[in-house]
Amino acid sequence: EIVLTQSPGTLSLSPGERATLSCRASQSVSSSYLAWYQQKPGQAPRLLIYGASTRATGIPDRFSGSGSGTDFTLTISRLEPEDFAVYYCQQYVTSVTFGGGTKVEIK
Amino acid sequence: QVQLQESGPGLVKPSETLSLTCSVSGGSINSYYWSWIRQPPGKGLEWIGYIYYSGSTNYNPSLKSRVTISVDTSKNQFSLNLSSVTAADTAVYYCARQRIVVAPSARYFDYWGQGTLVTVSS
Repeated sequence: EIVLTQSPGTLSLSPGERATLSCRASQSVSSSYLAWYQQKPGQAPRLLIYGASTRATGIPDRFSGSGSGTDFTLTISRLEPEDFAVYYCQQYVTSVTFGGGTKVEIK
Repeated sequence: QVQLQESGPGLVKPSETLSLTCSVSGGSINSYYWSWIRQPPGKGLEWIGYIYYSGSTNYNPSLKSRVTISVDTSKNQFSLNLSSVTAADTAVYYCARQRIVVAPSARYFDYWGQGTLVTVSS
């Protein structure tokens, strides 16, 4: 099973600041098989990025994804109030796994 | 717009079988993969397994011995059975559409249900 480790666990930032979230895989993952989700309290996760860097439909361009192999990054260029949430990375090579999540909270 | 809705008991007794159904509207269940994912209160996401509309399945190895996912294309629904439940199976259960695209290659979940909380307790 591929383990995804997300860091940091919590990111405390102010609106307008840049957020950089990391997702590290225990073994190489094709970038095609790496996705990012946003989850707000009481809601289902929402797809942000698939294929490591392709924004899903309707996702603002302040969200960007990058990376390859075992290291992937989600960047939010300028935090808006609605961006404070928990973010998960996910892979599917032979079995689906999710990272433990990074909470982006208001500083 | 595809919409998914989970339904089923909110309370299940230990050692019994948890059964949930996901109803798909706004689109056909055909030609897609459909997954169950759960989230214990205050914790992260765990994939349970998926079913292709044709009936082929793939389960999380850690749950495989207890999981059965089935599909009813005539009703545009798919279902989850999880047997021998314990308190550790208490979670919000989500159904989701899983995209497994060959060209260009991509794999992700694009539509999710709102989730349903299932509590395992006597």
